[in-house]
Amino acid sequence: AQSVTQLGSHVSVSEGALVLLRCNYSSSVPPYLFWYVQYPNQGLQLLLKYTTGATLVKGINGFEAEFKKSETSFHLTKPSAHMSDAAEYFCAVTGGGNKLTFGTGTQLKVEL
Amino acid sequence: DTAVSQTPKYLVTQMGNDKSIKCEQNLGHDTMYWYKQDSKKFLKIMFSYNNKELIINETVPNRFSPKSPDKAHLNLHINSLELGDSAVYFCASSQFNSYEQYFGPGTRLTVT
Repeated sequence: AQSVTQLGSHVSVSEGALVLLRCNYSSSVPPYLFWYVQYPNQGLQLLLKYTTGATLVKGINGFEAEFKKSETSFHLTKPSAHMSDAAEYFCAVTGGGNKLTFGTGTQLKVEL
Repeated sequence: DTAVSQTPKYLVTQMGNDKSIKCEQNLGHDTMYWYKQDSKKFLKIMFSYNNKELIINETVPNRFSPKSPDKAHLNLHINSLELGDSAVYFCASSQFNSYEQYFGPGTRLTVT
């Protein structure tokens, strides 16, 4: 079975500051990890994914995440926040197959 | 071009009614999903179909009945609606075992 924990249901940063959204996972098999973003009143959009290979993965809109097996983490970062990054972010895991297990989400607020 | 579309976008109905939500994807995928997002933004899978065959059936009341007439369509019928059914329902699609799921814009169901 797989599970995801997202630390911090709300994160607030200043425009131009580093964005760090935390995700820890639990999986009995090698995990496949994802970050999705949800803008208000919209569906989820895939930001980036880790399946195999390079542990640092780059996604859309300048986001990246690093898979750290020893820490069971897959934190999402962006060097410089923009107002348009304000949204809900979801980390998700699957151990194979089609069943994604989502975290509870982190609301990112970007302030001037 | 809309990749995954859902109708209706909003649905307001009274307890005890029966309603349906429709989903269509034009991505050529062979697998489709229904997710429920509750008021706390928690996202949980309900069902998944691969080539019209049910492959994931989570613990969902049997008042919920999915139906896939073909691999591009997945509908969700809900009988005897209850207050607790109020949520946003998302449809998604993917290629089988590709792990990358594409989400529709959601249907906000409000049961009064």
